[in-house]
Amino acid sequence: NAGVTQTPKFQVLKTGQSMTLQCAQDMNHNSMYWYRQDPGMGLRLIYYSASEGTTDKGEVPNGYNVSRLNKREFSLRLESAAPSQTSVYFCASRSAGTGPVEQYFGPGTRLTVT
Amino acid sequence: QQPVQSPQAVILREGEDAVINCSSSKALYSVHWYRQKHGEAPVFLMILLKGGEQKGHDKISASFNEKKQQSSLYLTASQLSYSGTYFCGTISSGSARQLTFGSGTQLTVLP
Repeated sequence: NAGVTQTPKFQVLKTGQSMTLQCAQDMNHNSMYWYRQDPGMGLRLIYYSASEGTTDKGEVPNGYNVSRLNKREFSLRLESAAPSQTSVYFCASRSAGTGPVEQYFGPGTRLTVT
Repeated sequence: QQPVQSPQAVILREGEDAVINCSSSKALYSVHWYRQKHGEAPVFLMILLKGGEQKGHDKISASFNEKKQQSSLYLTASQLSYSGTYFCGTISSGSARQLTFGSGTQLTVLP
């Protein structure tokens, strides 16, 4: 059971380049999330997918797109990277339903845009 | 609107206790607590639900005041391994169930 996995772990981009961050979970969770974390800050939600086939904007969606490829995979795309997108990106997943359901995070992708 | 955490930072000696607070201006469905060590992903500690249900690790305790929309995390007899940044995340009643995180409390435990 790998939990939530993310690739790549590190990436350096030049301004204007594009890239896709990959995320997969093997816990059969319905909901998946992308967050960014800037130095000394909390986690801010970029996009989420409550279930396969649906995606919704979070707090900071500008400059990003997402694809929920299937139940396991949720990718985040930067079409034209900007220095302001330098951050650590975390993918997370959670089971649906009411009750005390914890959220699991992937190890993160450290992205630098020069 | 993100929850507000206090204090922003705290330094303890091993064996001392600490309390970290989290408050929201919105009616809450649940409060989640995570700990993050430098360069690592956040790790789940505890969930507290409106109505009293909770789930978490044996050595961690927390409270949820539904009237005040506040939660507190209690760290007793702290160990060196407790060092890290603690985040509370909240799910508002009636929301689409996504977590909104506070800006964190940095806890340092010294020998």
